[in-house]
Amino acid sequence: DAKTTQPNSMESNEEEPVHLPCNHSTISGTDYIHWYRQLPSQGPEYVIHGLTSNVNNRMASLAIAEDRKSSTLILHRATLRDAAVYYCILREIYNQGGKLIFGQGTELSVKP
Amino acid sequence: NAGVTQTPKFRVLKTGQSMTLLCAQDMNHEYMYWYRQDPGMGLRLIHYSVGEGTTAKGEVPDGYNVSRLKKQNFLLGLESAAPSQTSVYFCASRTGQPYEQYFGPGTRLTVT
Repeated sequence: DAKTTQPNSMESNEEEPVHLPCNHSTISGTDYIHWYRQLPSQGPEYVIHGLTSNVNNRMASLAIAEDRKSSTLILHRATLRDAAVYYCILREIYNQGGKLIFGQGTELSVKP
Repeated sequence: NAGVTQTPKFRVLKTGQSMTLLCAQDMNHEYMYWYRQDPGMGLRLIHYSVGEGTTAKGEVPDGYNVSRLKKQNFLLGLESAAPSQTSVYFCASRTGQPYEQYFGPGTRLTVT
């Protein structure tokens, strides 16, 4: 499985945009990019995913570099509730069972 | 619609004891997963199932067994608990569309 690299921690101010980076230089053409987040004392929850094009949903936006070797999760206006560990995960399209391999993620803290 | 539920929420075992963790989902999902999360780490996949009656090994299967006798339930068994199995255990499920895994609230297990 291709590996991802994320900063261990980031800080943000409430109501400001947050850009969470992820490097995946060994990504293959059949790898999807998934983002999950884990709020304190809870199970992870799905945020967004993409393959080649930028993606938007109600929670966030995903910007994927043209060479696909990096991506950025964008939270447009951080709230205190967005404080969580954010995981960037690559999933091979033909991955039997759709297994996810979690790294250590980025711990995001949001200051009021 | 309860989503993914896990029983029990907390458990303390002595070394050598056995126990079964129950995961139940009411979303008619085909795929189910068991993960463990150690302090400060990402999740690691223990076992998974691609449908009723099937199971497969994940990254860290040793010391665990699983069964999927009914589509809605996925059981994780520890036959002889060891202190190294102290962890938080998460169950997840998903539909045939592989984009989003739904996670349960977790079971915190301590083995003394």
